[in-house]
Amino acid sequence: QSALTQPASVSGSPGQSITISCTGTSSDIGGYNYVSWYQQHPGKAPKLMIYDVSNRPSGVSNRFSGSKSGNTASLTISGLQAEDEAHYYCSSYTTSTTLVFGGGTKLTVL
Amino acid sequence: QVQLVQSGAEVKKPGASVKVSCKASGYTFTSYYMHWVRQAPGQGLEWMGIINPSGGTTSYAQKFQDRVTMTRDTSTSTVHMELSSLRSEDTAVYYCARDLGSSWSEFDPWGQGTLVTVSS
Repeated sequence: QSALTQPASVSGSPGQSITISCTGTSSDIGGYNYVSWYQQHPGKAPKLMIYDVSNRPSGVSNRFSGSKSGNTASLTISGLQAEDEAHYYCSSYTTSTTLVFGGGTKLTVL
Repeated sequence: QVQLVQSGAEVKKPGASVKVSCKASGYTFTSYYMHWVRQAPGQGLEWMGIINPSGGTTSYAQKFQDRVTMTRDTSTSTVHMELSSLRSEDTAVYYCARDLGSSWSEFDPWGQGTLVTVSS
């Protein structure tokens, strides 16, 4: 199972909005609404930000939102803040009854 | 509060095995599946497998099928991940993560991670 495809890096200024894409296939993203997004700061464990494509766990800012179209999922962060600077990983359940992650995207807040 | 506390860092020689533990607290241990994910230095996340703490059933990523064993001890609310025939490429931080839902898409929380270094 190949990793999902994410851009290596994205950047934005405070207050702006950015979108991170995550592209898979019909065997993973396209076949299920089981896409998640995780935020990881350096030296820390990942943190769940979005699950089941667009659901936000309790305690996660509503500046974070998720969506999906076909084989591509997206994470949008609005009103960028300095603390949003981190790596972001998408994941998806697959038809092989496994889980696949994206390669990760480094978000830089300028 | 819900917490996953993992065992400490390990240094192993090539060919050896390592066993990493993950102790759960703050919730009913047998009610949620547990996953193991690893992250090589400077790299992304890689899913290794899942264990059902209730019945002990497991499912592993094909890449690790022949080398990984996941077990649980309900008396101590602990899951274990043992990786054998270690090679340098297995140097990574290993995480356990509780699966809140039934769709493998709600990993919350994660353990703090255990660094396993494989070096001769």
